[in-house]
Amino acid sequence: GESVGLHLPTLSVQEGDNSIINCAYSNSASDYFIWYKQESGKGPQFIIDIRSNMDKRQGQRVTVLLNKTVKHLSLQIAATQPGDSAVYFCAEKKQAGTALIFGKGTTLSVSS
Amino acid sequence: KAGVTQTPRYLIKTRGQQVTLSCSPISGHRSVSWYQQTPGQGLQFLFEYFSETQRNKGNFPGRFSGRQFSNSRSEMNVSTLELGDSALYLCASSSGDREGQPQHFGDGTRLSIL
Repeated sequence: GESVGLHLPTLSVQEGDNSIINCAYSNSASDYFIWYKQESGKGPQFIIDIRSNMDKRQGQRVTVLLNKTVKHLSLQIAATQPGDSAVYFCAEKKQAGTALIFGKGTTLSVSS
Repeated sequence: KAGVTQTPRYLIKTRGQQVTLSCSPISGHRSVSWYQQTPGQGLQFLFEYFSETQRNKGNFPGRFSGRQFSNSRSEMNVSTLELGDSALYLCASSSGDREGQPQHFGDGTRLSIL
C-alpha cells in the first residue's frame, strides 16, 4: 500500500553521538518529504523538509538525505543531546492538493 | 508569531455525544488540516480546508466533519461518539498556496470517550 514506514521503532544513543533515523517510502510519485519531532504532550514540531529534486539538505545539527533510487529517507542528528529525546516521524506528500502521509515513528532515547 | 492554537486541550465525553474542537492557525496561513493520532494507527489524515473549502478528505466516516471560517479558524465536529474515537486530535496549518510548504502543528486536543 501507499505508506511511509520507519525501519526501527526505537533508537538509543549516548549524548554526543550522532543519530541516524531511517524511513522507507513506497510511493515513487512522492515529491515532498518532512521530518517532525514530537515530545510527550506536544504536537509534532517541524524539523526539516526536502523536495524530490534534492538529495541532501542541512539544517542546524540536522541533515536529511533522500535516496530516490531505493525510496529511502534519513534524518541525521549531530552531537545528539538529551533534549533530542522524542518520537520522530517522517511524512511524504505525493502531489499538489494531497495529504501528508505519516510513518509510524521512531522513539529516540538519549542517555547522558 | 503565535503558533497553532487548539482548544480545548482536554475533553471527556460519553458515547453517543457529539464534540466540537477548535483550531486557530498561524496568522496568514489559509490551509488547516486535521489529524487523528492513536497509539495503534499513528497519525491519520482527516481533512484539509483552504479558504473555507474542503480541499482534501481522508478515509473517516461521515460522523467526522469540519468547517473553516473566513478568518481561517477551523472547527471539527464528531457526532455520535464511539469509544474508538478516543485519540489526540491535531490541527496543522500552512500557507497552502503553493507546494513544498511545511505544516505546523498545534499541541492537540486529547479526547477521551467513556
